[in-house]
Amino acid sequence: GEDVEQSLFLSVREGDSSVINCTYTDSSSTYLYWYKQEPGAGLQLLTYIFSNMDMKQDQRLTVLLNKKDKHLSLRIADTQTGDSAIYFCAETSPGGGSYIPTFGRGTSLIVHP
Amino acid sequence: ETGVTQTPRHLVMGMTNKKSLKCEQHLGHNAMYWYKQSAKKPLELMFVYSLEERVENNSVPSRFSPECPNSSHLFLHLHTLQPEDSALYLCASSQSLGTPIGETQYFGPGTRLLVL
Repeated sequence: GEDVEQSLFLSVREGDSSVINCTYTDSSSTYLYWYKQEPGAGLQLLTYIFSNMDMKQDQRLTVLLNKKDKHLSLRIADTQTGDSAIYFCAETSPGGGSYIPTFGRGTSLIVHP
Repeated sequence: ETGVTQTPRHLVMGMTNKKSLKCEQHLGHNAMYWYKQSAKKPLELMFVYSLEERVENNSVPSRFSPECPNSSHLFLHLHTLQPEDSALYLCASSQSLGTPIGETQYFGPGTRLLVL
């Protein structure tokens, strides 16, 4: 199976909270990331969390990490239509001295009025 | 200009053409990467350069040839491509290799390539 897994789609109503989930397999993961990709654009780093933390908040974004279950989530409060995008989870772990991230397939967030 | 830029943004080429993709980073980083993003597939790492030296090549066909003349510029030279090479090619940079925070990646907008 894949190292980083995400559900492919999430649909929410404008103003509601969105929760995008991610699971990973490598217990030695050190940093975990959330990237956002809007149509026709590259990946934009949204936030990251170090593995010794269990929560990080940044304005409307809240990242929760459950290291025991290897589960990462991104909560977007008061979701807006501009939040519609693909969200990628990624993790890094030491492998041969490299920390190049492993990415999930991305979750398409659709925000409807 | 700031961040990571890529040119051209869109490219259509025939299978016998030769073209090049260009990436430039204005972040003072020392590592640069090429990724391929195809529909319904995970992001594929193609090449990694650190201080202009190639450190990783993930079994990429020889019709893709990277070049890194300095730490700010990265090229991907393309020749005799196949239709299945049509994809979004993303460039990224990071501060350095060897530490988790140093390998936090910043991406360009990508080049959308169509091979006919």
